[in-house]
Amino acid sequence: AQTVTQSQPEMSVQEAETVTLSCTYDTSESDYYLFWYKQPPSRQMILVIRQEAYKQQNATENRFSVNFQKAAKSFSLKISDSQLGDAAMYFCAYRSPPEGAGGTSYGKLTFGQGTILTVHP
Amino acid sequence: EAQVTQNPRYLITVTGKKLTVTCSQNMNHEYMSWYRQDPGLGLRQIYYSMNVEVTDKGDVPEGYKVSRKEKRNFPLILESPSPNQTSLYFCASRLHYRGYQPQHFGDGTRLSIL
Repeated sequence: AQTVTQSQPEMSVQEAETVTLSCTYDTSESDYYLFWYKQPPSRQMILVIRQEAYKQQNATENRFSVNFQKAAKSFSLKISDSQLGDAAMYFCAYRSPPEGAGGTSYGKLTFGQGTILTVHP
Repeated sequence: EAQVTQNPRYLITVTGKKLTVTCSQNMNHEYMSWYRQDPGLGLRQIYYSMNVEVTDKGDVPEGYKVSRKEKRNFPLILESPSPNQTSLYFCASRLHYRGYQPQHFGDGTRLSIL
């Protein structure tokens, strides 16, 4: 079974600086999808960025970018020019395509434990 | 507006009193699922549905039931709730179980079972 590990329960950053959140995963599949979700105090789950494993280029969305290291099974999130509104819980998530090994996950998202990000003014 | 709507947002109830958390989406999505969120564990899938009348267990299905009689609705049923089901629950949907489409989440339901 796939597992996702976020080893940093909490992180903090000064406003306007850069912070990197770590995520590692365990899988025997060669094709899969990776996601970062943001959960602010409002509890909404907001998609931040996504990456397809077969694409070597790291995904970027404005101030958010990932460092995807497939061999190391690592998928870290970098937030540049941090803003107060970035303060939230961040979840890393893995999803295998239904055609993957075992073929029974039917697109389930497997989440990490979450990292609470605090942004200091 | 495209959305996933859960009700109620908050519920405090007692052990053994049957309850239903409703979930409805207006995007004609085929795939729907339920997750529970617990501190230190992230979100874990309870049940999912690939289409009408097609449902299956996720990772933590014990104590829960679901049904999918209509495409838009996917209620979560706790027939005899127990305190260990106190949690934050999310319903989610996406267009199809295949592919790369993002998942849309509801706003969550905070359940407290006393």
